[in-house]
Amino acid sequence: AQKVTQAQTEISVVEKEDVTLDCVYETRDTTYYLFWYKQPPSGELVFLIRRNSFDEQNEISGRYSWNFQKSTSSFNFTITASQVVDSAVYFCALSGPSSNTGKLIFGQGTTLQVKP
Amino acid sequence: ETGVTQSPTHLIKTRGQQVTLRCSSQSGHNTVSWYQQALGQGPQFIFQYYREEENGRGNFPPRFSGLQFPNYSSELNVNALELDDSALYLCATPGTSGKSGANVLTFGAGSRLTVL
Repeated sequence: AQKVTQAQTEISVVEKEDVTLDCVYETRDTTYYLFWYKQPPSGELVFLIRRNSFDEQNEISGRYSWNFQKSTSSFNFTITASQVVDSAVYFCALSGPSSNTGKLIFGQGTTLQVKP
Repeated sequence: ETGVTQSPTHLIKTRGQQVTLRCSSQSGHNTVSWYQQALGQGPQFIFQYYREEENGRGNFPPRFSGLQFPNYSSELNVNALELDDSALYLCATPGTSGKSGANVLTFGAGSRLTVL
C-alpha cells in the first residue's frame, strides 16, 4: 500500500528563518514519483516539484530546496529565508509508476505560518 | 490561474439531497481526476476519467459518480448526501510544468460543499 506521512501539522516561524517540512513515504513500487504542492487560502493546489524515484539529486529553485533520500524514504522541503507569502498549507504526494496518472496519494499537509 | 475552472465555488445542501459539481479545462485534456479534501486533511482521490470512461477509483461508494463529455469537461455527482460529504472537491487535469516539462496534475480552485 502507498502512504505519505507529514508528521508536522503546523509550523510557525518568523520571517527570514529557514524552515524544513518533512515528508516520509511508503510504497512497494520500484518506480514512483514524489511531489510537493502548495495550497494558499484560495484553495487551489499549486505544483512546486516532481521527482522520480531514480533521480536522487537534490534540487534548488530560488529559496526552495528539496532533499530526496531513498534510503530513509524521505523527501523533505526546505524554504530558506522564509517570507510572509510562503504562509500556506504544503502537501507532499506520491504516485505510482505511470508518469501520466491522475491518482496521487497525499499526506495530511503541513500548515506553515510565517510571521513578519 | 491554472486553466482549470470549477463551479460552483461554494454551495450548501441538506442531507439526502444530490449535488452536481462541474469542471472544465482550457486545454481540453482527455483525462480528469476528482479529489475530496475534508477540512484539515489532504486531498483523497475519488476517481479518474479517460476519454469519457471511468479509469481508476479510490475508496468511495457508488453514490459518487462522474461524467466526462466529448469536450472533456466533467461532472462529479454525489447522491444521498451525508454530513461527512462536506469538503472541498478538487478537479485536476494533466499539465506541463514550465520548469521541467514534467507531466504534472494541475488543479482547479475547488468547489466547497457544505452538507447540513
